[in-house]
Amino acid sequence: GAVVSQHPSRVICKSGTSVKIECRSLDFQATTMFWYRQFPKQSLMLMATSNEGSKATYEQGVEKDKFLINHASLTLSTLTVTSAHPEDSSFYICSAMTGPDTEAFFGQGTRLTVV
Amino acid sequence: GENVEQHPSTLSVQEGDSAVIKCTYSDSASNYFPWYKQELGKGPQLIIDIRSNVGEKKDQRIAVTLNKTAKHFSLHITETQPEDSAVYFCAASSPGGSYIPTFGRGTSLIVHP
Repeated sequence: GAVVSQHPSRVICKSGTSVKIECRSLDFQATTMFWYRQFPKQSLMLMATSNEGSKATYEQGVEKDKFLINHASLTLSTLTVTSAHPEDSSFYICSAMTGPDTEAFFGQGTRLTVV
Repeated sequence: GENVEQHPSTLSVQEGDSAVIKCTYSDSASNYFPWYKQELGKGPQLIIDIRSNVGEKKDQRIAVTLNKTAKHFSLHITETQPEDSAVYFCAASSPGGSYIPTFGRGTSLIVHP
């Protein structure tokens, strides 16, 4: 299947700093990318949907000013957690689709720890 | 919107046994049903999927069945192996939901050697 690369896999940052997570589709063009957050032993919680060249659509309850999403090209989307706090510590996962009604491929996830 | 229920939440089997995970969905317009396997500390990996125009699909030891009338679909793993141990998620997507997959809560499968 298609490959989605997410970087970094782990990051530890100090409270109040910002962290950027990258999501790349390596062998296909992703018209749509998704960002999820996953708490321990729970399902994936959709945070936002981003389409190349347009603003991301955030799910209800997700602070767009805190979780900045940029989908600048058909192969790259970034999630920036601004002014991170310990409660932002979580597993963040991106996925990408080549188009509507196609399978979604997931990155390997990023474990964010805010200290 | 779509709602996907998944059962059981935990499934423990002996190596060589079969495992079955069941999901139900609410949106009759849903037409795509993928299954993902997630190992600890990793992202979900697509293992098999089925579309609404098909009743069953098989790939080696893994099979998925779909009953559109009852709005439920199941994952069947035969001859389970310890490396099958992981969390499995079902999902459903529809045109009305912009094809964004709605996930079940996950099933933790433990295969004992």
